[in-house]
Amino acid sequence: GAVVSQHPSWVICKSGTSVKIECRSLDFQATTMFWYRQFPKQSLMLMATSNEGSKATYEQGVEKDKFLINHASLTLSTLTVTSAHPEDSSFYICSAPPRGTQPQHFGDGTRLSIL
Amino acid sequence: AQTVTQSQPEMSVQEAETVTLSCTYDTSESDYYLFWYKQPPSRQMILVIRQEAYKQQNATENRFSVNFQKAAKSFSLKISDSQLGDAAMYFCAYRSASGGYNKLIFGAGTRLAVHP
Repeated sequence: GAVVSQHPSWVICKSGTSVKIECRSLDFQATTMFWYRQFPKQSLMLMATSNEGSKATYEQGVEKDKFLINHASLTLSTLTVTSAHPEDSSFYICSAPPRGTQPQHFGDGTRLSIL
Repeated sequence: AQTVTQSQPEMSVQEAETVTLSCTYDTSESDYYLFWYKQPPSRQMILVIRQEAYKQQNATENRFSVNFQKAAKSFSLKISDSQLGDAAMYFCAYRSASGGYNKLIFGAGTRLAVHP
């Protein structure tokens, strides 16, 4: 079936570092991908909608300059956390729908820890 | 704006028994999808069951079934013959059916414990 691959699964880095997370659709083309953030014991909150060939749409309260999203191809979207700080530590997860009416497929998530 | 509410932060059930997780939502749309996702400790998001709002018949997937009450905007999940592997966080989610690819709106989640 359709699969979404997310990499890396776990990142630990120093404060001030920029971190890039990749989300790939393996056997389907994804013109749209979604990026969620999940803090411990909380729900998934949508950060932004990634659109192939155009600018991402960010949810209210999400800093565009801090969370850079690039969707340069039909199979790859990237989220870059720029100048990361400890408060950015969280679980980031992407998803993509194979087709408009089909359920989204989720990546396995990235655990980001900023020291 | 649409909202999803799960009023049970935690639930527990004995193995082989039945448990029902509650979910209510608010929307002005008539066409949408509702989902239940399971998130085990691995944090993978696993689709449990899906319901199209235009379908009156409640969805079922093996031991999992829903009670979809459109007028009441209620979408509960029943797990029958509970198994130890059912222990996880369960999220109810809403997705609009209009306008192409749409985001999921999640409830706060219910943590289900299964006791042997």
